[in-house]
Amino acid sequence: KNEVEQSPQNLTAQEGEFITINCSYSVGISALHWLQQHPGGGIVSLFMLSSGKKKHGRLIATINIQEKHSSLHITASHPRDSAVYICAVRLNYGGSQGNLIFGKGTKLSVKP
Amino acid sequence: EPEVTQTPSHQVTQMGQEVILRCVPISNHLYFYWYRQILGQKVEFLVSFYNNEISEKSEIFDDQFSVERPDGSNFTLKIRSTKLEDSAMYFCASSVFPNTEAFFGQGTRLTVV
Repeated sequence: KNEVEQSPQNLTAQEGEFITINCSYSVGISALHWLQQHPGGGIVSLFMLSSGKKKHGRLIATINIQEKHSSLHITASHPRDSAVYICAVRLNYGGSQGNLIFGKGTKLSVKP
Repeated sequence: EPEVTQTPSHQVTQMGQEVILRCVPISNHLYFYWYRQILGQKVEFLVSFYNNEISEKSEIFDDQFSVERPDGSNFTLKIRSTKLEDSAMYFCASSVFPNTEAFFGQGTRLTVV
């Protein structure tokens, strides 16, 4: 059973396009993370959300707790945005020291 | 900007050998984590560590694995007798509290031959 589902799995865009990556989850969570994994494998934390919306530069992340859904948007996409974007949730249960459950990732390729 | 550092970046070891993967978490962080990612698969939680003891572990984290904070800065993952299926990228992460942002290291790619 996949507790975290991402869509699409793969996404190819032209430079400048507006991009949306979706994440749905089936469990109660205390927080949701959006992460970026570069081709070399390193992981960078982009956002941590528990409600509402966050913006950092060209990146915007939103979460709807009632619908158990989050989106990551990239405005004015650029080839350097090419990476795998991973949604991960932190479960919400008593005593949890916060292990993360990860989605499979969305591989984004932005063409010049 | 403070960062989590992991060494080595790549380690090749023979099956059955012990390996120790090292991590230096961000200095004011209290919670430490290890994750692994088998090639082509999603990242999986291994263990979380707080106050010098394991606070949570997954089914993957069996008796072959152990973690330690041997001094005030390092956080290590030991695999006692490596198997071929232990080949993966291992990520260390740290956070101030369990519900705050986790910062990841660049990973150690472990290849068991």
